Amino acid sequence: AQSVSQHNHHVILSEAASLELGCNYSYGGTVNLFWYVQYPGQHLQLLLKYFSGDPLVKGIKGFEAEFIKSKFSFNLRKPSVQWSDTAEYFCAVNRYGGSQGNLIFGKGTKLSVKP
Amino acid sequence: NAGVTQTPKFRILKIGQSMTLQCTQDMNHNYMYWYRQDPGMGLKLIYYSVGAGITDKGEVPNGYNVSRSTTEDFPLRLELAAPSQTSVYFCASSSGLEKLFFGSGTQLSVL
Repeated sequence: AQSVSQHNHHVILSEAASLELGCNYSYGGTVNLFWYVQYPGQHLQLLLKYFSGDPLVKGIKGFEAEFIKSKFSFNLRKPSVQWSDTAEYFCAVNRYGGSQGNLIFGKGTKLSVKP
Repeated sequence: NAGVTQTPKFRILKIGQSMTLQCTQDMNHNYMYWYRQDPGMGLKLIYYSVGAGITDKGEVPNGYNVSRSTTEDFPLRLELAAPSQTSVYFCASSSGLEKLFFGSGTQLSVL
């Protein structure tokens, strides 16, 4: 079965530190990849997505992610985090051409940024 | 523009009670979804719909029912509430797979 693994449950960083959150998926075919973010007290919102083309995608608020097909990975990065980046981050995968409802989420990574 | 609206925001149920979680979207999206989010477990898809009159099971449909009589509304029904259904429930909608728009969630406790 298709699955998504996020390696870190909770990451704690100081402001200005660099961030990399890991995401690996298990499906071997063509996939669509997403990162969603949930700020405290808010609903989930799309951070960035990859469908095809340049494997380095840029999202909102300075976030980027790199799709490495050979590693089945879609890691999220930010060069310098801010306190306002404190949130829970979810990686999600959809099998290309699959059912619209077949969006599989990882378990999430909580990011705490210390001021 | 309200987006995706869920009601209620909080609810406590006794075991065996039933209730309906309401979800309405005003973006004329064809696709609607119900997810549950358990601590440390991410989001699991319960049911989804690709248009009015069409629904399908997701990953964890047992104990739930849905209907989609209109494009705007996608209610989720719990018939016999069980403690295992204690969770946060999110409704979402989309026009395709480009982006899901989520509601603010319903926190449900079954005691």
